[in-house]
Amino acid sequence: GESVGLHLPTLSVQEGDNSIINCAYSNSASDYFIWYKQESGKGPQFIIDIRSNMDKRQGQRVTVLLNKTVKHLSLQIAATQPGDSAVYFCAENKDDYKLSFGAGTTVTVRA
Amino acid sequence: EAGVTQFPSHSVIEKGQTVTLRCDPISGHDNLYWYRRVMGKEIKFLLHFVKESKQDESGMPNNRFLAERTGGTYSTLKVQPAELEDSGVYFCASSQGGGSPLHFGNGTRLTVT
Repeated sequence: GESVGLHLPTLSVQEGDNSIINCAYSNSASDYFIWYKQESGKGPQFIIDIRSNMDKRQGQRVTVLLNKTVKHLSLQIAATQPGDSAVYFCAENKDDYKLSFGAGTTVTVRA
Repeated sequence: EAGVTQFPSHSVIEKGQTVTLRCDPISGHDNLYWYRRVMGKEIKFLLHFVKESKQDESGMPNNRFLAERTGGTYSTLKVQPAELEDSGVYFCASSQGGGSPLHFGNGTRLTVT
């Protein structure tokens, strides 16, 4: 079946640098994508979402980019902080409610 | 606003025993979902309620799993009898529907020994 996946399982970033987390999806019919952050012992926390009629959306210190041509999604975190250390999941929304998650990227921020 | 709450946070049971997980969604959220993450793999959909009705239970692994949502408020997920491969983290999420984001609870970590 089609699924959402991530390019790299881990990412180490120097504090203050920008982070880029990538995700590839395979269902060209998907029209809604979400990034979640999961800290140890907690559930996935919504960060930002984007619909397929957009190619970029900005939040507070985060930007999501969507490239439908190559079915690629990325999350950019500006000025990465120690509190950004977590597992980041991209998710694809199927059938308007059922999320399909990637395996996650573990981000570690170096002081 | 209180978030999605799950109980217990951890459960350790022996193979063959029964365990019941509980989820209280955000007040006013008609949509409730169960997901699980097994062995560090991706988070997988289990089922979806709209109020008290099961809309989609295609992700339920087998008939040892039973989910209920009596009265359209909290939900329970029962595993009976539990098997070793059921170990993992079970997440509950809720939403207002209509494409709004899902809000997840902190999960129940189930360990079957």
